[in-house]
Amino acid sequence: KQEVTQIPAALSVPEGENLVLNCSFTDSAIYNLQWFRQDPGKGLTSLLLIQSSQREQTSGRLNASLDKSSGRSTLYIAASQPGDSATYLCAVGGTYKYIFGTGTRLKVLA
Amino acid sequence: EAGVVQSPRYKIIEKKQPVAFWCNPISGHNTLYWYRQNLGQGPELLIRYENEEAVDDSQLPKDRFSAERLKGVDSTLKIQPAELGDSAVYLCASSPPPWDRGVPRTTDTQYFGPGTRLTVL
Repeated sequence: KQEVTQIPAALSVPEGENLVLNCSFTDSAIYNLQWFRQDPGKGLTSLLLIQSSQREQTSGRLNASLDKSSGRSTLYIAASQPGDSATYLCAVGGTYKYIFGTGTRLKVLA
Repeated sequence: EAGVVQSPRYKIIEKKQPVAFWCNPISGHNTLYWYRQNLGQGPELLIRYENEEAVDDSQLPKDRFSAERLKGVDSTLKIQPAELGDSAVYLCASSPPPWDRGVPRTTDTQYFGPGTRLTVL
């Protein structure tokens, strides 16, 4: 059974810092991995999707990497801003079924 | 383009009462998902529809939960009777068909609605 773990559970950083969020999974037989953002009281917004054949994806200040063999993914946020404050969830799987981690609550202080 | 629409946004009921949630997916999205998200946890899939067919309901507690998507568009998730442990956010998501004008999609992005926060007293 696939298990997804995210570390740290919460993170508070000053504005401008570069930061890394971690996601680990137990079963490397995945189709893809997605990183989502969730604002309080809101649904999930997809940030980046990495196919199993890819190593990384980039969008603006976000970069996500995937190492299937070690069961790890990282989300790198460059030059963090207060607007980045949210919960970040990773989800692994594919063929229409995702297993989500418990998320990292990020707070960027102005 | 309108996103996934869910209603109501909030619902407070007493235990043993019935409750229903409604979801309208993005136009053209044939796959629809219902998730439950407990506080401090990630979403967990309850049921997935391909058009009007429930193709994965293995995680749906069938003794009290039911869902339908009669015309393959909008969907309703029902709980009857509700229990205290059902308090959670219920999220609906949709995704487009895997084929786009004959070209297979390589992505599998799901688009989420804002959710319905259920509180059972």
